[in-house]
Amino acid sequence: KQEVTQIPAALSVPEGENLVLNCSFTDSAIYNLQWFRQDPGKGLTSLLLIQSSQREQTSGRLNASLDKSSGRSTLYIAASQPGDSATYLCAVRLKGAQKLVFGQGTRLTINP
Amino acid sequence: EAGVAQSPRYKIIEKRQSVAFWCNPISGHATLYWYQQILGQGPKLLIQFQNNGVVDDSQLPKDRFSAERLKGVDSTLKIQPAKLEDSAVYLCASSFPPARDRESRTGELFFGEGSRLTVL
Repeated sequence: KQEVTQIPAALSVPEGENLVLNCSFTDSAIYNLQWFRQDPGKGLTSLLLIQSSQREQTSGRLNASLDKSSGRSTLYIAASQPGDSATYLCAVRLKGAQKLVFGQGTRLTINP
Repeated sequence: EAGVAQSPRYKIIEKRQSVAFWCNPISGHATLYWYQQILGQGPKLLIQFQNNGVVDDSQLPKDRFSAERLKGVDSTLKIQPAKLEDSAVYLCASSFPPARDRESRTGELFFGEGSRLTVL
């Protein structure tokens, strides 16, 4: 059974810092991995999607990496801003299935 | 392009009452998902449809939850009777089926704003 873990559960940093969010998964037979952002009371916004054959994806100040062999992904946020404050969720799509299995999320607070 | 639409956004009911949530996926998305997100946790899949057929409902509490997608477009999730532990946000998502020959942005899921249920 695929399990997805995100550490830390919560993170608070000063504005301007670069930071890394971690995601680990137990079964490396994945189709892709997706990072989402969730603001309080809102739905999920897709940030980055990495296919199993890819090593990383970039969008603006965000960079996500994938190491299937070690069952890890990281989301790197450069020059953090207060507007980046949200919960960040990673999810893996299993091979042969279309559903996503989610981690519990990292609640990020950027202090001005 | 319109996103995934859900209604109602909020619902408060008493235990043992019933409730229904509606979802309209992105046009052309054959796959539709209902997820349950309890406060402080990641979303958990309840049911997945491919067109109007059920692909995965292994985590749906079938004694009280039901879902349908009659014409392969809109979907309804019903809870009857509701329990206190059903208090959660119910998220609908949709996607194209993964295409074997596409490398980028294949199988990406798009979520609606969610329906927040409070059971008293």
